[in-house]
Amino acid sequence: DGGITQSPKYLFRKEGQNVTLSCEQNLNHDAMYWYRQDPGQGLRLIYYSQIVNDFQKGDIAEGYSVSREKKESFPLTVTSAQKNPTAFYLCASSIEKISYNEQFFGPGTRLTVL
Amino acid sequence: AQSVTQLDSQVPVFEEAPVELRCNYSSSVSVYLFWYVQYPNQGLQLLLKYLSGSTLVKGINGFEAEFNKSQTSFHLRKPSVHISDTAEYFCAVSFSGGYNKLIFGAGTRLAVHP
Repeated sequence: DGGITQSPKYLFRKEGQNVTLSCEQNLNHDAMYWYRQDPGQGLRLIYYSQIVNDFQKGDIAEGYSVSREKKESFPLTVTSAQKNPTAFYLCASSIEKISYNEQFFGPGTRLTVL
Repeated sequence: AQSVTQLDSQVPVFEEAPVELRCNYSSSVSVYLFWYVQYPNQGLQLLLKYLSGSTLVKGINGFEAEFNKSQTSFHLRKPSVHISDTAEYFCAVSFSGGYNKLIFGAGTRLAVHP
């Protein structure tokens, strides 16, 4: 079964620590995305990548970093510079070479900063 | 600038009643439209999409939506809701030409009561 996996489902960290969220897809999609979701605010784009070894900042990239060394993987690091990291994080992917942008989502990771 | 507005943040409804969740968008170019559903602590699942052709689109779980270009709307409807339809619903828009960005509305929480 093809899909997107995110791990872990729940993550706790202390203030001042960096933490990395995993996202893997076996859909053979070119593009991958990271979103942050806060209550009542919908989804906000953090970073996206249209091809391996290339990525761009989204609307709220400050305090986050990503890498795209493999087509299947797009890990997100939440750094200590992120002022309010507690949120639900969603990873998505899409086929890049089509005119519309139907995105497929993973199950999400809930990050809580203690 | 392109934007998406979901006109209701919460919609309470009784079981077996009809429901309409409203979505309006703003764009000067052609659009592709999506509705996603999110159950608690889960990722987003595609309900339906409008790419071209018939303006009435049918999706999963008995939902349908109608694209109205003159009113720039894409309202989601279901003639008879079930308790299991309780979830958050997101309208999303992507735009033809250029970068394939998906713009999300803030979401509508549908609460179905017995």
